Amino acid sequence: NAGVTQTPKFQVLKTGQSMTLQCAQDMNHNSMYWYRQDPGMGLRLIYYSASEGTTDKGEVPNGYNVSRLNKREFSLRLESAAPSQTSVYFCASRMIGETQYFGPGTRLLVL
Amino acid sequence: GDSVTQMEGPVTLSEEAFLTINCTYTATGYPSLFWYVQYPGEGLQLLLKATKADDKGSNKGFEATYRKETTSFHLEKGSVQVSDSAVYFCALSDGGGSNYKLTFGKGTLLTVNP
Repeated sequence: NAGVTQTPKFQVLKTGQSMTLQCAQDMNHNSMYWYRQDPGMGLRLIYYSASEGTTDKGEVPNGYNVSRLNKREFSLRLESAAPSQTSVYFCASRMIGETQYFGPGTRLLVL
Repeated sequence: GDSVTQMEGPVTLSEEAFLTINCTYTATGYPSLFWYVQYPGEGLQLLLKATKADDKGSNKGFEATYRKETTSFHLEKGSVQVSDSAVYFCALSDGGGSNYKLTFGKGTLLTVNP
């Protein structure tokens, strides 16, 4: 039981490049979430998916898109990366009535 | 909207010292409250939670009591260890069911020296 896994662990991009951050969970959870963590800002919600087939914006969705591919997988896409998107990205999942479980994070540097 | 305010860090203590990290919240309803811990290079782990007023959450020697009258959920530990060095986040849940979301404080870095 791996829990929540994220790939890649670390990525360097140039401004304007695109990439997709992958997240998968093997706990049969209904809901999945993407956060970004910046120094002194705590975690801020980018997008979430309450259940397979649905996605909703969080606090800071601009510049991102998401896809809930199936119940297990929830990807985050940066179409045209900007230096302001340099951050640590965390994926989380949750079963109704329980708390969120977090992945180990992806460190993204945009030059 | 909902918000969480926790004490600014960093906090540096000697081993076996008493720890308090303050957390207050603003919410329109009756949220559940959480403390998460993040060890270096890792994701967040749930440390403890409380779901209603006057509940006390506890785990690994840490405690926090949900105080509705002061809208607070302060984290305490009687005797910290070097292994407690981490970033601690206070959080509240917003909504229930499928609209469940967490709102986090900015985090407090704790360093415990031997």
